Amino acid sequence: NAGVMQNPRHLVRRRGQEARLRCSPMKGHSHVYWYRQLPEEGLKFMVYLQKENIIDESGMPKERFSAEFPKEGPSILRIQQVVRGDSAAYFCASSLTGAKMFFGSGTQLSVL
Amino acid sequence: KQEVTQIPAALSVPEGENLVLNCSFTDSAIYNLQWFRQDPGKGLTSLLLIQSSQREQTSGRLNASLDKSSGRSTLYIAASQPGDSATYLCAPGTTNSNYQLIWGAGTKLIIKP
Repeated sequence: NAGVMQNPRHLVRRRGQEARLRCSPMKGHSHVYWYRQLPEEGLKFMVYLQKENIIDESGMPKERFSAEFPKEGPSILRIQQVVRGDSAAYFCASSLTGAKMFFGSGTQLSVL
Repeated sequence: KQEVTQIPAALSVPEGENLVLNCSFTDSAIYNLQWFRQDPGKGLTSLLLIQSSQREQTSGRLNASLDKSSGRSTLYIAASQPGDSATYLCAPGTTNSNYQLIWGAGTKLIIKP
């Protein structure tokens, strides 16, 4: 049973480009969460999704950021027109019942 | 606003010692509390989950306790090993949305062989 898979592990983008981060939850898990860890800071909640639905996006910036979790395929966190301040580690987690979460290894986004 | 403090920020001990990592939080209205370890390049691993109605949870050499009323949790590591070297994060879950964890800054633990 593979764990939560995130790809890519490292992503380099120039300012103004788009970044797409993917997350495949553990088998059978329908709850997906995205977190961001800025340099020298703790993790911060961004968005909670269940299949095809956004449950809570209160932690996500209102502009340039979007997330989806389609019926088939991985969850996608999309950042449009990236800026240097978007450079961070982005972690995805999944859960079966909405309680204990299992985290992926993260995607390190670097914006040049 | 929930604030989480972890003490000490860093700890370096010889192999074999028993350790206690401390976590305090300001808002006792939590749903649960999780302890994670973070390894460089390997992301986060959930170690223990304590529900708000529980006092402790054990997994192998790890034991986590929760005193909700005083806003404290401790992680006890018995017979430490070099493989335990990592950053340990405490994360209480708020009552209404247990996924909105508030992470502490962590305790960076180094176990010397």
